[in-house]
Amino acid sequence: EAQVTQNPRYLITVTGKKLTVTCSQNMNHEYMSWYRQDPGLGLRQIYYSMNVEVTDKGDVPEGYKVSRKEKRNFPLILESPSPNQTSLYFCASSLRRPGLAGGDTQYFGPGTRLTVL
Amino acid sequence: KQEVTQIPAALSVPEGENLVLNCSFTDSAIYNLQWFRQDPGKGLTSLLLIQSSQREQTSGRLNASLDKSSGRSTLYIAASQPGDSATYLCAVPTGGGNKLTFGTGTQLKVEL
Repeated sequence: EAQVTQNPRYLITVTGKKLTVTCSQNMNHEYMSWYRQDPGLGLRQIYYSMNVEVTDKGDVPEGYKVSRKEKRNFPLILESPSPNQTSLYFCASSLRRPGLAGGDTQYFGPGTRLTVL
Repeated sequence: KQEVTQIPAALSVPEGENLVLNCSFTDSAIYNLQWFRQDPGKGLTSLLLIQSSQREQTSGRLNASLDKSSGRSTLYIAASQPGDSATYLCAVPTGGGNKLTFGTGTQLKVEL
């Protein structure tokens, strides 16, 4: 089954304790992305990756890091989480980046609900 | 800057009714538009992807239309069912095509 998986699904942590949210896709997609969803602000992109070792900032990258060492995995790293990073996080993937003629369906993971105390 | 708006923000209808959800975007230079469904506490599921060259796309009881010149898309749901209750989001590529900009969403409730 084609899918994007995220772990953990729920996480409560404390300020300053480094954490990693994993994302994996089994569709051999080149493009992967992270979004956060907040009430009243909608979905905002954090980082994206066009392929292995190619990553770039989205709209709200502060406080986050990513890496793309393998095509299927795109982990999101919070080096020193703060309460303003409490949010619902989504990983997404598609064969190619969204803005191409003949664009591709975006597949989203189930989400990770993070609470930083 | 592309802005995507959805009206109405919330909608409650009785089961069996046909309904239309609206999506407006300010920059008509888009390559495609995608409709998603989001269930409470869950991820987004892609419903329909319309290419800029298309006017309509259909999947089962869902029909999406796209009018680039007027900056509008509609999602038509036929014979609504309680299982259709969810938040519906439209999205267009922006940021040089490297991300999706999402609409504000329509929260749909279909009542028995």
